[in-house]
Amino acid sequence: SQQGEEDPQALSIQEGENATMNCSYKTSINNLQWYRQNSGRGLVHLILIRSNEREKHSGRLRVTLDTSKKSSSLLITASRAADTASYFCATDLEYGNKLVFGAGTILRVKS
Amino acid sequence: ETGVTQSPTHLIKTRGQQVTLRCSSQSGHNTVSWYQQALGQGPQFIFQYYREEENGRGNFPPRFSGLQFPNYSSELNVNALELDDSALYLCASSLAPNFEQYFGPGTRLTVT
Repeated sequence: SQQGEEDPQALSIQEGENATMNCSYKTSINNLQWYRQNSGRGLVHLILIRSNEREKHSGRLRVTLDTSKKSSSLLITASRAADTASYFCATDLEYGNKLVFGAGTILRVKS
Repeated sequence: ETGVTQSPTHLIKTRGQQVTLRCSSQSGHNTVSWYQQALGQGPQFIFQYYREEENGRGNFPPRFSGLQFPNYSSELNVNALELDDSALYLCASSLAPNFEQYFGPGTRLTVT
């Protein structure tokens, strides 16, 4: 079963615009992570936010976490064609980083 | 590149057959996790191995089994293949169970 649900399922924007993806989850978490996947291949870890954090930045990425609403958002600023990929949120339900992923958001950045 | 490698890249099997997928961990990593990703879905956790012992299992039947070797490389075995086993199989290694996971490129399994 999938713990998280990403919204929207697909997003198409122009290069230079910002992209926002949302993730909702069902149960209490230790942390929430965002991953990128290009063309159905391996996942690349983008950022981790712990349950006691509200916001985190990494380069052009900004992640927020609202544990009261059980939701997170990933903002990619000044998007580039190379950002075209699928983006997944994943939660860690128990010790050992056994990740539970959502279904993902497909982002297409048009140049 | 994460340093995690998987073989083979692609594989086609017939329903009822058995398959073995292999994963070579990043140097120094003693933990390996396996995930199944069906087309259009997010990855689902199969199981994790830590220092050659199973360290947690997801909601997969016993015909999915694994091994971790002394050099911390790992195998995923699936018996009595079913059509629904067609998926991308990802392994991820980490320094320890609660550390960041580094994913390999995956093995694409097609069951006909």
